[in-house]
Amino acid sequence: SQKIEQNSEALNIQEGKTATLTCNYTNYSPAYLQWYRQDPGRGPVFLLLIRENEKEKRKERLKVTFDTTLKQSLFHITASQPADSATYLCALAYNQGGKLIFGQGTELSVKP
Amino acid sequence: DADVTQTPRNRITKTGKRIMLECSQTKGHDRMYWYRQDPGLGLRLIYYSFDVKDINKGEISDGYSVSRQAQAKFSLSLESAIPNQTALYFCATSEPGQLYQETQYFGPGTRLLVL
Repeated sequence: SQKIEQNSEALNIQEGKTATLTCNYTNYSPAYLQWYRQDPGRGPVFLLLIRENEKEKRKERLKVTFDTTLKQSLFHITASQPADSATYLCALAYNQGGKLIFGQGTELSVKP
Repeated sequence: DADVTQTPRNRITKTGKRIMLECSQTKGHDRMYWYRQDPGLGLRLIYYSFDVKDINKGEISDGYSVSRQAQAKFSLSLESAIPNQTALYFCATSEPGQLYQETQYFGPGTRLLVL
């Protein structure tokens, strides 16, 4: 079965630095990949989507890359701020129909 | 008002009890989902529904049942709760998009403790 792995250890960085989170998957490549943000006690919130034929997608300080050869997506937050502290989830979709498979999430902590 | 609401937000119950978690949405989406979230395991799909007459099992449906009462309402039931069903439960909605690339919109979650 398909497996998705995100950094299990929390990522701690200094304000102003770039945070890079990793999402690795096994087997075949998804049709598209999404990244969500989850704050404690809240539901996940959609951030970005990247398709299998796209290498990179940007939105303000966020950037997502998708490497189907490495079977990996990287999520970058540039000029990080304490308000960026949260858990970030990647999710993959393999077929038409909207079902997503989620990774376990990586907790990011940005220190002032 | 929130687009996706869940009730109750917190629930403590005893082993063997039947409980129902409810989800309502005002987004007008056809597709609704129930997930559970456990530490270190991420979100796992329990059931999903693509319209009122369509119900499908997800990855971990054993011990759960659902009812899609209307486009806007999707309920999750635990017929006989057991302690390993203690988790955070999320409802989500989506709408078919271009090339079937769908964003999911999540409710605030229900924290369930089974004693």
